[in-house]
Amino acid sequence: QIVLTQSPAIMSASPGEKVTITCSASSSVSYMHWFQQKPGTSPKLWIYSTSNLASGVPARFSGSGSGTSYSLTISRMEAEDAATYYCQQRSSYPHTFGGGTKLEIK
Amino acid sequence: EVMLVESGGGLVKPGGSLKLSCAASGFTFSSYAMSWVRQTPEKRLEWVATISSGGSYTYYPDSVKGRFTISRDNAKNTLYLQMSSLRSEDTAMYYCARTSGITFDYWGQGTTLTVSS
Repeated sequence: QIVLTQSPAIMSASPGEKVTITCSASSSVSYMHWFQQKPGTSPKLWIYSTSNLASGVPARFSGSGSGTSYSLTISRMEAEDAATYYCQQRSSYPHTFGGGTKLEIK
Repeated sequence: EVMLVESGGGLVKPGGSLKLSCAASGFTFSSYAMSWVRQTPEKRLEWVATISSGGSYTYYPDSVKGRFTISRDNAKNTLYLQMSSLRSEDTAMYYCARTSGITFDYWGQGTTLTVSS
């Protein structure tokens, strides 16, 4: 199966700071999807097909990558962005998720 | 508004069985594949099962194949997950998720399964 490794596992950022979360795949995937989860709530689709923002996602978010290396970037961190972010691939079965990156606000 | 409401979770002994349900509303249920995804106590997300829109095709990871069965009733807008031979490692929050051609685009609030003696 394709293993997705996210880094860092935990990070904190100050308001206005640029944030980058990476997701490395053990084999090449066609696309990467990202989910945001806040405590006590279910995951929400955040970025799909590598670079497309889901409905309602602020434009300060972006996604990029190809092959085995993907990333989620926040151009300017805001307090509401504090959450755990998971990458996910559907290129091959079994569909797999990364271990998550917990992003905290400083 | 898309709504997915899971139910049926609980405490089960190892080796036991349980059936989860997911009531869907706010979209044409019969037009979408549906999936179950679980989140372990360590917060790891694991895909559990997917069923095609008409119910003819099902997909599972090896970890649950032969023990779990996904099904749906399009007349009742309801998704099911029949779980048997339950193990402690099946303990998790179970989410149903609408599955577009791309990925899991809407998730329910989840129902908790605990497998313990």
